[in-house]
Amino acid sequence: QVTLRESGPALVKPTQTLTLTCTFSGFSLSTSGMCVNWIRQPPGKALEWLARIDWDDDKYYSTSLKTRLTISKDTSKNQVVLTMTNMDPVDTATYYCARIRGVSSGPGSGMDVWGQGTTVTVSS
Amino acid sequence: QSVLTQPPSVSGAPGQRVTISCTGSSSNIGAGYDVHWYQQLPGTAPQLLISGNSNRPSGVPDRFSDSKSGTSASLAITGLRAEDEADYYCQSYDTSLTGYVFGTGTKVTVL
Repeated sequence: QVTLRESGPALVKPTQTLTLTCTFSGFSLSTSGMCVNWIRQPPGKALEWLARIDWDDDKYYSTSLKTRLTISKDTSKNQVVLTMTNMDPVDTATYYCARIRGVSSGPGSGMDVWGQGTTVTVSS
Repeated sequence: QSVLTQPPSVSGAPGQRVTISCTGSSSNIGAGYDVHWYQQLPGTAPQLLISGNSNRPSGVPDRFSDSKSGTSASLAITGLRAEDEADYYCQSYDTSLTGYVFGTGTKVTVL
């Protein structure tokens, strides 16, 4: 069974750096074509893709947020970490991680498994 | 900020058919990239409903179907049921943005 679980602080202050961890099981991020993505959803708003890290350590970022994001992986721990700098109240959202397979030859086959999400509030 | 445009809401009576459009551009849907559809039930994480090329994950009923033409795609729900009340999102890849893009989301209400 494939599962993903997000973890991180529920509250961060403006200008602080957010660090989120996605811990997964049931698959290996060293398998060719596998990747893990971060997506967020502000309250009452649409989903927004943030970043992706591939089995071969290639990384991709949202163009609007790329200066603030860093994604990394620890294959031995089955974890993917996202950091977002200079947090602002507009970054208040539920943050999800999700898997995509088949990215070795293109964008892949859709986000087939999602974590339950972790809610982050940015407030002083 | 969403690159793909969906109607904010659609509604229908039980048993009816509803469709949700997803309008993109030549850099995403029009470029031939697959469109995927997600269902988000209230208070839960999104779930993959239909993957590109009309692939439904195990457990998704065939009441859900998709289509694509030019720079647009659509999701159809036939035999609408109360449990279909949810938010629905389309998603594709954008070559100009070199990343994934989501639709604005559509709330389906069963009357």
